[in-house]
Amino acid sequence: QVQLVESGGGVVQPGKSLRLACVGSGFRFGAYAMHWVRQAPGRGLEWVTLTSYDGSQTYYSDSVKGRFTVSRDNSKNTVSLQLTGLTPEDTGVYFCAKEGIATVQGLIHQTLESWGQGTLVIVSS
Amino acid sequence: DIQMTQSPSSLSASVGDRVTISCRASQAISNYVAWYQQKPGQVPKLLIYAASTLQSGVPFRFSGSGSGTEFTLTISSLQPEDVAIYYCQKYNSAPRTFGGGTKVDIK
Repeated sequence: QVQLVESGGGVVQPGKSLRLACVGSGFRFGAYAMHWVRQAPGRGLEWVTLTSYDGSQTYYSDSVKGRFTVSRDNSKNTVSLQLTGLTPEDTGVYFCAKEGIATVQGLIHQTLESWGQGTLVIVSS
Repeated sequence: DIQMTQSPSSLSASVGDRVTISCRASQAISNYVAWYQQKPGQVPKLLIYAASTLQSGVPFRFSGSGSGTEFTLTISSLQPEDVAIYYCQKYNSAPRTFGGGTKVDIK
């Protein structure tokens, strides 16, 4: 079955950097887009970024654009998220998610089909 | 960017009640809406995609409807295990914005 395991979270000072990783198994990793979604303590879900199946296309939310960078190494079944210029507002659990692809009435639908357990990032001095 | 607005932010209902959650997009997005359920202490789970297609394994008491800018998630008969926060998400294009969530609990 699909398994996604995030790592790299921790406590970091404002302005510093952190690198998160997510290793996927149980599916053909290099065939699927991957996403990062975060959740601040007691708050809702916030979509952060996605990378296409081959890493050639990446998209970011406005709140992280220019500070976060997503990348992937399909030979290692890994997607990474480099976080720089961290602020307390970046505190939260960071989930990686595998994109699911379905066809409905001839149109492609791309959802967040499988999620990891998340890794906690705390930005605090 | 397109915003997704959910209502209500929370609701309390009795077991067996019909529950309806609304999600409004700030621009038309056809039927590119998914619904997720996040139970306390758990990761989100995909319930519905294409606005009304039930994900495999999801109980039939869950249903979705809508197109354009107005979308609805309905639980036909609320069960204790449905206590959770429900989120809509648009996925026609990036950013793949989530709604603010609707917390559902049992009265």
